[in-house]
Amino acid sequence: EDKVVQSPLSLVVHEGDTVTLNCSYEVTNFRSLLWYKQEKKAPTFLFMLTSSGIEKKSGRLSSILDKKELFSILNITATQTGDSAIYLCAVNAGGTSYGKLTFGQGTILTVHP
Amino acid sequence: GAGVSQTPSNKVTEKGKYVELRCDPISGHTALYWYRQSLGQGPEFLIYFQGTGAADDSGLPNDRFFAVRPEGSVSTLKIQRTERGDSAVYLCASSLTAGGASGELFFGEGSRLTVL
Repeated sequence: EDKVVQSPLSLVVHEGDTVTLNCSYEVTNFRSLLWYKQEKKAPTFLFMLTSSGIEKKSGRLSSILDKKELFSILNITATQTGDSAIYLCAVNAGGTSYGKLTFGQGTILTVHP
Repeated sequence: GAGVSQTPSNKVTEKGKYVELRCDPISGHTALYWYRQSLGQGPEFLIYFQGTGAADDSGLPNDRFFAVRPEGSVSTLKIQRTERGDSAVYLCASSLTAGGASGELFFGEGSRLTVL
């Protein structure tokens, strides 16, 4: 059974801090790993990673994948209160089912002013 | 439409009743997905459609759950004889193609189902 585990489950920081969120996975037929941000209801897409060692970056957020050790990290620098959300990691385990994502349980990030 | 639209946003029902949850995907998106999210958990895959057909329904928990997409656009998730354990947020997502060229699924805001 495909499995995605995120850590920590929750994190409380102050504005300006840097955070690192972790995602490890055990899946068959790995295709890609995705990060989503969920603020209230609808998860919104952040990154898709398919190759090891290539950093994806968007503003203060960046992410990297290690396919040998089966994990990914999401970094957020100079955190702001608007970064408070649940961060979800998901893996597309492919095979013949291109649309099926297996999600981790999420990391709840709270940024205090 | 501009985004994925789900109705109702909230549904409260009694144990044993039948419910229907509707999803209107982004116009032109051929792939449509249903996920279920319980409190404190990540979304759990239920089913996805490529066009009108269910390409993968392996996540449907039992035969009380059924979904259709008769014209390849709007989809309805149907739950018969609801149980308290069905209480969750039901999320719908769509993408231009299965898996999405960039992997991006566009999610709706969900339908919160509460079974009393």
